Amino acid sequence: AQSVTQLDSHVSVSEGTPVLLRCNYSSSYSPSLFWYVQHPNKGLQLLLKYTSAATLVKGINGFEAEFKKSETSFHLTKPSAHMSDAAEYFCVVSDRPAGGGADGLTFGKGTHLIIQP
Amino acid sequence: SQTIHQWPATLVQPVGSPLSLECTVEGTSNPNLYWYRQAAGRGLQLLFYSVGIGQISSEVPQNLSASRPQDRQFILSSKKLLLSDSGFYLCAWSVYGTTDTQYFGPGTRLTVL
Repeated sequence: AQSVTQLDSHVSVSEGTPVLLRCNYSSSYSPSLFWYVQHPNKGLQLLLKYTSAATLVKGINGFEAEFKKSETSFHLTKPSAHMSDAAEYFCVVSDRPAGGGADGLTFGKGTHLIIQP
Repeated sequence: SQTIHQWPATLVQPVGSPLSLECTVEGTSNPNLYWYRQAAGRGLQLLFYSVGIGQISSEVPQNLSASRPQDRQFILSSKKLLLSDSGFYLCAWSVYGTTDTQYFGPGTRLTVL
């Protein structure tokens, strides 16, 4: 069984300051991990993906995430927040089931990122 | 490159009316297709997924149904809408044979009054 916990439902930072969105996961297998971003009334856009290669993953728009197996974490960071980063962020874990079904993805409940001017 | 379309973008329907939402994918063959619902203040709920034409799996018993009449077309339907069907409906696709990276459409905002 797999699960994902986003530790903060809301995060507020000032423009130009660092962003940290926290995600912890549990998985019975070697997981794939994802971060998606959703702007209001839009679909989800893939930010980055970890699939057992380099533990530090760089994504779009200056975001990156580090896979830490010992801590079962996959936190999302950005050095300097921009107003356009204000959105909902979802951490997702894939357990890579043997079959072709869709039950391999588990979504976190989301973190709402607020950027203060 | 692959693109995914959903329509309509927004929809307001009375209780008891029928529903048909459409999703199409371009630039890939034989994709896995998914329907999710996102209710206000809640995460994503997987409703249906399909690994091929005519093959539909339901994750949650409900008032909705799905069909896949063509390889890259996925339709979400209801015969009689309920107030609780309101939400943001997202279609997604992934490469056949994997449940890894899913790519999402722009979504449909459904309001049932």
